[in-house]
Amino acid sequence: DTAVSQTPKYLVTQMGNDKSIKCEQNLGHDTMYWYKQDSKKFLKIMFSYNNKELIINETVPNRFSPKSPDKAHLNLHINSLELGDSAVYFCASSPLIGEQYFGPGTRLTVT
Amino acid sequence: AQSVAQPEDQVKVAEGNPLTVKCTYSVSGNPYLFWYVQYPNRGLQFLLKYITGDNLVKGSYGFEAEFNKSQTSFHLKKPSALVSDSALYFCAVRREADDKIIFGKGTRLHILP
Repeated sequence: DTAVSQTPKYLVTQMGNDKSIKCEQNLGHDTMYWYKQDSKKFLKIMFSYNNKELIINETVPNRFSPKSPDKAHLNLHINSLELGDSAVYFCASSPLIGEQYFGPGTRLTVT
Repeated sequence: AQSVAQPEDQVKVAEGNPLTVKCTYSVSGNPYLFWYVQYPNRGLQFLLKYITGDNLVKGSYGFEAEFNKSQTSFHLKKPSALVSDSALYFCAVRREADDKIIFGKGTRLHILP
């Protein structure tokens, strides 16, 4: 009965490849997010979706494309991976103005 | 600029002593304030929040925080620290105007046995 789940947990890939990370929440929340946490633990919001509609799109390279097939899922596709994309990516969900529930993270390593 | 500041990169406290992790914010409009904790190799976990009402809010694991509007602060406190409280703590603010969430840079809390 995991609340917010992400797959895969670890992702090691080479520069130039395309990869996807999947996220699912079973909390019934309308809003989902993608965050990037760098090696210094800084947490930066990338995208936010409310009921499948994009509401926050931070300054993120357009190689990153979120997709929300329904309000329980928010996937992240990354094209042409670069070394600087190496980080931990967290998915989260929340009710409209409440606290966020975070997934366990996906550690992406680009070599 | 809208921001959240956690002025201390790390805080060290002896077990059993009270702890405080500081957070100040700068947003227009009414802020919604949150504290989260992150243990190694884990996602963030919600501790407590201030939306409205009493300035002193109580949360998980014996933590509490006080909203101070005049000082624009939302410091996290616990009366008696445990070694298991050692973790990375994040303060966050959600702007009422556009729901954008801003996280502080985090404070690493070390509780010394």
